[in-house]
Amino acid sequence: EAGVAQSPRYKIIEKRQSVAFWCNPISGHATLYWYQQILGQGPKLLIQFQNNGVVDDSQLPKDRFSAERLKGVDSTLKIQPAKLEDSAVYLCASSLAPLVGDTQYFGPGTRLTVL
Amino acid sequence: GQQLNQSPQSMFIQEGEDVSMNCTSSSIFNTWLWYKQDPGEGPVLLIALYKAGELTSNGRLTAQFGITRKDSFLNISASIPSDVGIYFCAGLNNQGGKLIFGQGTELSVKP
Repeated sequence: EAGVAQSPRYKIIEKRQSVAFWCNPISGHATLYWYQQILGQGPKLLIQFQNNGVVDDSQLPKDRFSAERLKGVDSTLKIQPAKLEDSAVYLCASSLAPLVGDTQYFGPGTRLTVL
Repeated sequence: GQQLNQSPQSMFIQEGEDVSMNCTSSSIFNTWLWYKQDPGEGPVLLIALYKAGELTSNGRLTAQFGITRKDSFLNISASIPSDVGIYFCAGLNNQGGKLIFGQGTELSVKP
């Protein structure tokens, strides 16, 4: 079974530029998550989708971050414009359903460096 | 918001030694999870705990869900070099499956 795919793996941009990340979840997984992991910290949930609807985006900085999952499969996360503090690894995860204890499978992440 | 405090932050041990790390919270969680993250990879689930007091093993790993539902610990017995990595605890509440992660414990194993 293929895992969660993410691209690109690395991205370096200058502040105020825009950037987009792509995620393809495990086939059949209805729930998709985007996490931000700053160096030395645990992942922090940015947004959760159930199929193509948003379940939780309470920690997404909506003035600069946006995410979509138009067809309920793959998803993109965009930052526009980027700030220095956005430097982090952006992890995508998926699960069959958002049930208590349902396993979330993580992709390898995209490491973003903002200069 | 909910926060998890994980300790120790880092550990340097000799191959063959046992390791113990724990996680505490001011809030109650209904599920506790332990993940391992290797460099350049996403976290991988090691053990999931669903009931207060539950003790679960996965090979050389043993984890327990605290009675108060506010803490959990992970033990690794007879450590080997491939145990190197960052271990995260995570708490899950009933509100749509939102995971709260600890800050991680970085484990180094000296052969």
